[in-house]
Amino acid sequence: SSVVTQTPSVSVAPGQTARITCGGQSIGDKRVHWYQQRPGQAPVLVIYDDRARPSGIPERFSASNSGNTATLTISTVEAGDEAHYFCQVWDATSDHLVVFGGGTTLTVL
Amino acid sequence: QITLKESGPTLVKPTQTLTLTCTFSGFSVTTSGVGVGWIRQPPGKALEWLALIYWNDDKFYSPSLKNRLTIAKDTSDNQVVLTMTNMDPVDTATYHCAHSDWAAASSFDFWGQGILVTVSS
Repeated sequence: SSVVTQTPSVSVAPGQTARITCGGQSIGDKRVHWYQQRPGQAPVLVIYDDRARPSGIPERFSASNSGNTATLTISTVEAGDEAHYFCQVWDATSDHLVVFGGGTTLTVL
Repeated sequence: QITLKESGPTLVKPTQTLTLTCTFSGFSVTTSGVGVGWIRQPPGKALEWLALIYWNDDKFYSPSLKNRLTIAKDTSDNQVVLTMTNMDPVDTATYHCAHSDWAAASSFDFWGQGILVTVSS
């Protein structure tokens, strides 16, 4: 299946932990990447290959991927983390090589 | 330092063909494992992958749009060009190009700022 689903919105207080999920059939068998997009800006890669962090991304950003769910975890949330977050699935075995989730808006209360 | 920038028309009429150019620096599209992709985003909506071309000239397209898309690279000018035929108002979106690398599990690790293309008569 090429469908990847994300919860539309997540709200957390500063200092708390935010968890954003990405669901899809056997997504654990595929590579998942996560992007942060602030309003009016281009997306920024925050996690690649399920759990790897690009240079410059804080350790507060972590992720996992298993079964039918991939999860992005943001610890000790800050006001600057408020943004849209998109997961992206890479499936080299499918015609749907690249599929983006619908996005999750993270609101910091 | 990797940078990418999109250029092309910001207004096209329905049924016209859109041609967008991605001009990049800081990498070569002839390096093994390197690719350039195109992704679009309608206003207020999600990202949608369109096409991807690799250093070895392998090309991949979104299944839902592949009949309308062509991607090509110009290695001498460090450019990748995307054409989309038969434009429709629903194709109004910001179009981004992005760098991809097998070393980063084929993620899009560097993005251009995007170009807003409006389709209207």
